[in-house]
Amino acid sequence: EAGVTQFPSHSVIEKGQTVTLRCDPISGHDNLYWYRRVMGKEIKFLLHFVKESKQDESGMPNNRFLAERTGGTYSTLKVQPAELEDSGVYFCASSPLGGGTDTQYFGPGTRLTVL
Amino acid sequence: AQSVTQPDIHITVSEGASLELRCNYSYGATPYLFWYVQSPGQGLQLLLKYFSGDTLVQGIKGFEAEFKRSQSSFNLRKPSVHWSDAAEYFCAVGPYNTDKLIFGTGTRLQVFP
Repeated sequence: EAGVTQFPSHSVIEKGQTVTLRCDPISGHDNLYWYRRVMGKEIKFLLHFVKESKQDESGMPNNRFLAERTGGTYSTLKVQPAELEDSGVYFCASSPLGGGTDTQYFGPGTRLTVL
Repeated sequence: AQSVTQPDIHITVSEGASLELRCNYSYGATPYLFWYVQSPGQGLQLLLKYFSGDTLVQGIKGFEAEFKRSQSSFNLRKPSVHWSDAAEYFCAVGPYNTDKLIFGTGTRLQVFP
């Protein structure tokens, strides 16, 4: 069974540009989470989807970030326009419905560098 | 506010030596507790978790962790480190009422032959 996949693995963009990160959860997982790690800091929660609905987006830093999960399958996280402080590693995780914190499976992350 | 502290940013040990990675948390009650590992190019992999019961928890790859309520700690241990254990280790708490994990800043482990 395939794990959580994320694309791209690395992205280097200039300040002001737009970047879209993609996450494909484990098949059948209704819960999908985005986290971010800014260099040297802790991994921080961004938001949580249940199927296509946003359950909790309390960690989204500002309105430059837009997350979608059309059809309840893969999810995208768009940053527009990107700022220097958006650099970091963006992790996606998924879990089955009712799974909660104990069954989150993480992807390898997307390393975003904003120059 | 809920938080997790991993006081050691970087630890270096020799292969075969014992290992202890420290983790302290701040939370109003006993939360769910986790240790994850991230090897280069890999996702975060769950090593072990504590929900309740026996305070000594066994995980994968020969790791164990001990929950100490009085010290609000959940330290990770391994009696004999292998070169393949070189990675970054994250302690996390999972509050009861949400799905969001709260992570520490991570400890990078380097293993010398």
